[in-house]
Amino acid sequence: GAGVSQSPSNKVTEKGKDVELRCDPISGHTALYWYRQRLGQGLEFLIYFQGNSAPDKSGLPSDRFSAERTGESVSTLTIQRTQQEDSAVYLCASSLQREKNIQYFGAGTRLSVL
Amino acid sequence: GQNIDQPTEMTATEGAIVQINCTYQTSGFNGLFWYQQHAGEAPTFLSYNVLDGLEEKGRFSSFLSRSKGYSYLLLKELQMKDSASYLCAVRRYGGATNKLIFGTGTLLAVQP
Repeated sequence: GAGVSQSPSNKVTEKGKDVELRCDPISGHTALYWYRQRLGQGLEFLIYFQGNSAPDKSGLPSDRFSAERTGESVSTLTIQRTQQEDSAVYLCASSLQREKNIQYFGAGTRLSVL
Repeated sequence: GQNIDQPTEMTATEGAIVQINCTYQTSGFNGLFWYQQHAGEAPTFLSYNVLDGLEEKGRFSSFLSRSKGYSYLLLKELQMKDSASYLCAVRRYGGATNKLIFGTGTLLAVQP
């Protein structure tokens, strides 16, 4: 597709359930990022994938959070045993690994944990 | 650590000029980005500065002073559609990551 695609756009879940969020990066972009945006706050880095290198997981807030990426394509962010504080917009971005490394964002998945 | 500060909200009039400031404290500075984010939409890239000075792109300009840890985004000839959040983000050297550290964003309201 032309841009970064995320699904679902909205997800409502009950506390304690697991959720999977999906990101389709721009074709040919080797780098992929996940960020979290809580209401009224800035974007918070979660995890970064670059080609076949080990991902940078330094931003994951707890071991309930994990992410995978197959090659240079789709990524899934999984949150296990969701808590109310996990409610946020989860944004994915991708970039080429050269020059300015401009990150292009998807519209995000709005997660609401009841 | 890293600290990025920008005003929470600003108001300006259609047709006017507005300057949104961003100050940062970080080691290993490797570029500053400005993004625009309309409510419920993806952040979209506006500008990138890595060297001191002014970068102009149409109605939008961005300035950087690395010695002062300071940047601003200048919007000219404001239009109603410019009402949005403007996000300042810094990239650092170090490791294998190109992650961005974001400020909380400045919500700009353009009034008729």
